[in-house]
Amino acid sequence: EAQVTQNPRYLITVTGKKLTVTCSQNMNHEYMSWYRQDPGLGLRQIYYSMNVEVTDKGDVPEGYKVSRKEKRNFPLILESPSPNQTSLYFCASSQTAGLPSYEQYFGPGTRLTVT
Amino acid sequence: ILNVEQSPQSLHVQEGDSTNFTCSFPSSNFYALHWYRWETAKSPEALFVMTLNGDEKKKGRISATLNTKEGYSYLYIKGSQPEDSATYLCASTDSWGKFQFGAGTQVVVTP
Repeated sequence: EAQVTQNPRYLITVTGKKLTVTCSQNMNHEYMSWYRQDPGLGLRQIYYSMNVEVTDKGDVPEGYKVSRKEKRNFPLILESPSPNQTSLYFCASSQTAGLPSYEQYFGPGTRLTVT
Repeated sequence: ILNVEQSPQSLHVQEGDSTNFTCSFPSSNFYALHWYRWETAKSPEALFVMTLNGDEKKKGRISATLNTKEGYSYLYIKGSQPEDSATYLCASTDSWGKFQFGAGTQVVVTP
């Protein structure tokens, strides 16, 4: 089954404790992206990757890191989480980001709480 | 600050009625406009991707139009059904792969 998977789905952690949220897709997609969703603000893009070893900042990259060493995986790293990073996180992938523009497939989401 | 704006924020529709709502976006550096449907406790699912001025897309009772010159897109739901209840998100993307989403229009269809 074609899908985007994220782990963990739920996480409660403490300020400053490094964590990684994994994202994997099995559709051989070139483009992958991370979003956070906060009430009233819609989805905001954190980082995106056009292909392996190519990553770029979205609108809200501060406090996050990403890497794209393999096509299928795009982990999101919070080196020192803070309470303002409490949010619902979505990973998404699409065939490419170039013409034509393809729809994104979203993972199930990761609800992160930082205390 | 959201450059992509959706209105209204929410709307209530009687079953069987038709409705529409708007997504406005900056026309500069525009590449494509995406519409997604997001049901509670699920993930957003793609409805349409449009790139050309005047594009119209249709999927069942839902359709969308695109005006890139003035920077807006409409989503239409014909003969709304309770299963159409969801938040509808639009997103504008540039040629570099950067996406900007609107805050969404929440649609509630009452029987």
